[in-house]
Amino acid sequence: SQQGEEDPQALSIQEGENATMNCSYKTSINNLQWYRQNSGRGLVHLILIRSNEREKHSGRLRVTLDTSKKSSSLLITASRAADTASYFCATDGLNTGFQKLVFGTGTRLLVSP
Amino acid sequence: EPEVTQTPSHQVTQMGQEVILRCVPISNHLYFYWYRQILGQKVEFLVSFYNNEISEKSEIFDDQFSVERPDGSNFTLKIRSTKLEDSAMYFCASSEAREAKQYFGPGTRLTVT
Repeated sequence: SQQGEEDPQALSIQEGENATMNCSYKTSINNLQWYRQNSGRGLVHLILIRSNEREKHSGRLRVTLDTSKKSSSLLITASRAADTASYFCATDGLNTGFQKLVFGTGTRLLVSP
Repeated sequence: EPEVTQTPSHQVTQMGQEVILRCVPISNHLYFYWYRQILGQKVEFLVSFYNNEISEKSEIFDDQFSVERPDGSNFTLKIRSTKLEDSAMYFCASSEAREAKQYFGPGTRLTVT
């Protein structure tokens, strides 16, 4: 399957530190997207990176994509308590239809003040 | 920023009852989706909808499920005869184009008793 798997499953850091989350997937992709989910709430889109891109930035977020290793990382710099949430990668691609997003298992990030 | 909205936020129903979950996608979007997330599990794709027809569906989306766009703004998911295992958070999403980022609504928590 094209499942995304994030690691670590849980990450606990102090405010001001950087947080890095990784995502691996199994088949060729078209796009990879990162989402944030606060407990019991909806999914907030963070960033989309296309398969022909290697790095993308948005504010304190930096996403990298290595298609040869079928992996992506999300870096949150200078973390804040408000960044506490679960973070998911989601992929779409030729094998599953471009519309269907396949989500990973998520990383639960806890940022302590 | 435009948002996807969903109603109700929480629906409690008895096993065997029909439920309709409602969504208002972002107005200029053309692609619409339903996903679900069972408590503690991954977000799973159910169905995508474009040009007034289903364009893709998962194995979860059996004949107990149906989708409809009854007018120019609403997008609904109907479950004909709910089962206990249908209890989950149901997310609606929309996108401008086939390979564009998907914007998610806040979700409807469905509890089947």
